[in-house]
Amino acid sequence: ETGVTQTPRHLVMGMTNKKSLKCEQHLGHNAMYWYKQSAKKPLELMFVYSLEERVENNSVPSRFSPECPNSSHLFLHLHTLQPEDSALYLCASSHEGTQGVGGYTFGSGTRLTVV
Amino acid sequence: GENVEQHPSTLSVQEGDSAVIKCTYSDSASNYFPWYKQELGKRPQLIIDIRSNVGEKKDQRIAVTLNKTAKHFSLHITETQPEDSAVYFCAASKDSGGSNYKLTFGKGTLLTVNP
Repeated sequence: ETGVTQTPRHLVMGMTNKKSLKCEQHLGHNAMYWYKQSAKKPLELMFVYSLEERVENNSVPSRFSPECPNSSHLFLHLHTLQPEDSALYLCASSHEGTQGVGGYTFGSGTRLTVV
Repeated sequence: GENVEQHPSTLSVQEGDSAVIKCTYSDSASNYFPWYKQELGKRPQLIIDIRSNVGEKKDQRIAVTLNKTAKHFSLHITETQPEDSAVYFCAASKDSGGSNYKLTFGKGTLLTVNP
């Protein structure tokens, strides 16, 4: 483990289900991110949290709802998803400081399949 | 916003040869450029990064060069080995000590090193 843990690793859900993805980091980082990784597309930034405050919402549909209760935990709540939302969802964290952003540490991702 | 273009999308080399992956970016204010390696079924991992105050950085067989005037940066892998086979992503961000720290990724390059 690299210090960023994502659960579950795999998730299959119907379009009417509600589920949540969880991300946890033990690196002392103060920024966390959700990215979507689809086949043949770049990593797409979805949400950014800095010091538990959402600072970026990259035009993501409202069926994705993030939550950051503290600096170590990040959730992505899912409801009424579409088949095109099937993808690998990656969480990442980094440390923001006077030297600027450091490299991201990614979690292993949740492979989501919407049926 | 920032736009990062990455080429080529696939690259096949013989073991021992060198591999070069190139990226261009659009925002002249970007000043932090990391490279990530993602092996099949695994998380992206930071392998090297460069900031705009240097033109080149090297770490063993891996080097990154940056041309701020032309707004492009490149990853160079020498003496390639089969374990270098992976998808490589470049990224860019404006690194201003706490704000604008989101990374914009290129589409990735699938590198295959043939034994």
